[in-house]
Amino acid sequence: GESVGLHLPTLSVQEGDNSIINCAYSNSASDYFIWYKQESGKGPQFIIDIRSNMDKRQGQRVTVLLNKTVKHLSLQIAATQPGDSAVYFCAENMGSGGYNKLIFGAGTRLAVHP
Amino acid sequence: NAGVMQNPRHLVRRRGQEARLRCSPMKGHSHVYWYRQLPEEGLKFMVYLQKENIIDESGMPKERFSAEFPKEGPSILRIQQVVRGDSAAYFCASSPTPDTSGNTIYFGEGSWLTVV
Repeated sequence: GESVGLHLPTLSVQEGDNSIINCAYSNSASDYFIWYKQESGKGPQFIIDIRSNMDKRQGQRVTVLLNKTVKHLSLQIAATQPGDSAVYFCAENMGSGGYNKLIFGAGTRLAVHP
Repeated sequence: NAGVMQNPRHLVRRRGQEARLRCSPMKGHSHVYWYRQLPEEGLKFMVYLQKENIIDESGMPKERFSAEFPKEGPSILRIQQVVRGDSAAYFCASSPTPDTSGNTIYFGEGSWLTVV
């Protein structure tokens, strides 16, 4: 069945370095993807999204890349800060009929060291 | 995720009791989603509701779980006769009326259910 998965369960980086979190998806028909950040004890926080008609989208310090050929999604965080430490989820929209039905990956824990 | 209000934030129930989780969507949002998250796992879709209508409940367990979103008041996720396996974080999310797939979903802070 369709699934969204992540390559690295844990990522440790030094403060100031760039971080790259990867995600693979299996449904080639998916047209909308979202990255969420979740801190301990809190709800998922929207970071950035991308539609399937794009291959790159930039936000503040974050960039999402979409490679539809290999069904791969990545989140790049520039100049990683201690406040970026959290679990990051990619989500794939499986909804139809005009609503969002998100399928989440298992998550990658990002640990930022001073 | 500011604006989606969930309560209680933490709930402890004994096996066999009922749990009721409430969610008030963001102002102006008429679409509500419920997700469940087990420890160290991603969120799993449970149900999607509009006012007075259940649109997609494909992720809801067949027994003991129900959800509603009445015309007035918050959305309610109800779990009857809870078991230890129901222990999880339950997240509510809302979105505005989606013209096309892709409107951002905003999540609440979650309700943590512990069954003892």
